Amino acid sequence: NAGVMQNPRHLVRRRGQEARLRCSPMKGHSHVYWYRQLPEEGLKFMVYLQKENIIDESGMPKERFSAEFPKEGPSILRIQQVVRGDSAAYFCASSPPSEDTQYFGPGTRLTVL
Amino acid sequence: DAKTTQPTSMDCAEGRAANLPCNHSTISGNEYVYWYRQIHSQGPQYIIHGLKNNETNEMASLIITEDRKSSTLILPHATLRDTAVYYCIVRALYNTDKLIFGTGTRLQVFP
Repeated sequence: NAGVMQNPRHLVRRRGQEARLRCSPMKGHSHVYWYRQLPEEGLKFMVYLQKENIIDESGMPKERFSAEFPKEGPSILRIQQVVRGDSAAYFCASSPPSEDTQYFGPGTRLTVL
Repeated sequence: DAKTTQPTSMDCAEGRAANLPCNHSTISGNEYVYWYRQIHSQGPQYIIHGLKNNETNEMASLIITEDRKSSTLILPHATLRDTAVYYCIVRALYNTDKLIFGTGTRLQVFP
């Protein structure tokens, strides 16, 4: 059973461009979580999704950020009009519906020039 | 979820046991103690969790005091690859909500 997969692993964008980060949960996992880790800081929760539903987006910035987890395909974290302050490591985690342990992917490191 | 307190940093000699403490004095009866670690630049890795009994798996042992107000994660034979930040997190049973990471303990294993 492959672990949580994230791509790309590294992403470079210029200010004002869009960033799309993908997360494929572990097989059988229907819960997806996104976390952000700014340089030299701790992990902060962003959003929790189940298939086709956003359950908790209390950690998402109100503007420019959006997330989805469609019925088919990976979960997408989308950042529009990126700014330098968006440079960070973005981690995705997944868990099965019957278990509360979250398993993390390797992360996507976003650099905004 | 209850708040946890961990030392900022610890050192351990390679091959020796690493004992990482965590205080969670406000823990509720239905809350588990979880441990994760983050090796530099990697995604957090689940280690172990427990409710009140001591737990052991291939990675570590978790010792929870009888009053459940504190716990200790034990890495029985630390290696250089165990150098990481270790996070103690308290969560309610069947809670599928977000994980709240504190500052954790930075464990440095030295040769």
